[in-house]
Amino acid sequence: SQWGEENLQALSIQEGEDVTMNCSYKTYTTVVHWYRQDSGRGPALIILIRSNEREKRSGRLRATLDTSSQSSSLSITAAQCEDTAVYFCATANTGANTGKLTFGHGTILRVHP
Amino acid sequence: EAAVTQSPRNKVTVTGGNVTLSCRQTNSHNYMYWYRQDTGHGLRLIHYSYGAGNLQIGDVPDGYKATRTTQEDFFLLLELASPSQTSLYFCASSVNWGLSYEQYFGPGTRLTVL
Repeated sequence: SQWGEENLQALSIQEGEDVTMNCSYKTYTTVVHWYRQDSGRGPALIILIRSNEREKRSGRLRATLDTSSQSSSLSITAAQCEDTAVYFCATANTGANTGKLTFGHGTILRVHP
Repeated sequence: EAAVTQSPRNKVTVTGGNVTLSCRQTNSHNYMYWYRQDTGHGLRLIHYSYGAGNLQIGDVPDGYKATRTTQEDFFLLLELASPSQTSLYFCASSVNWGLSYEQYFGPGTRLTVL
């Protein structure tokens, strides 16, 4: 999980495997962003999921959002070496009417050939 | 696609030094942000702005000033740099404020304070 006091997580898998990264948050929210950061570059949005979607797909990516458990996940199917990156979830306190994103600590994903 | 550029890409200064980090976005976005990224803390918001002349305080503003001179340009100022400000700094922009709006990030500036 990416939130709270957890340290930056690291996952190492073989090419072709499936992987899931989890994110839990502490505030009421209706939208979760998932960003990917490649080495030496800034983060880039890969999926934005809303509470009325529960699941959203983009190519080999699949995001879920469960507002009752305040958690979101990002899955990659048949991971490839180019999926190696740091993945962040980000959200904001919808109840506080602020769009200020708070980012999780991130998951370092390494995909080996 | 939104374009956000930052300069310099790398900067080394000494304790007490004066540093200005620059950011420019070319897609007419209203909102601009400055973040710092440190291992174990993820991305933390320093300051943000919703237009020229506007400045809002973020979550970790101490020791930083910022100025938005135009819609395109947002600067981060460290007037008395300290080693604790050694970090990777990112600028970002978004068309509007709120959870539904994607933030577009620049490539980052690595700052080292000796």
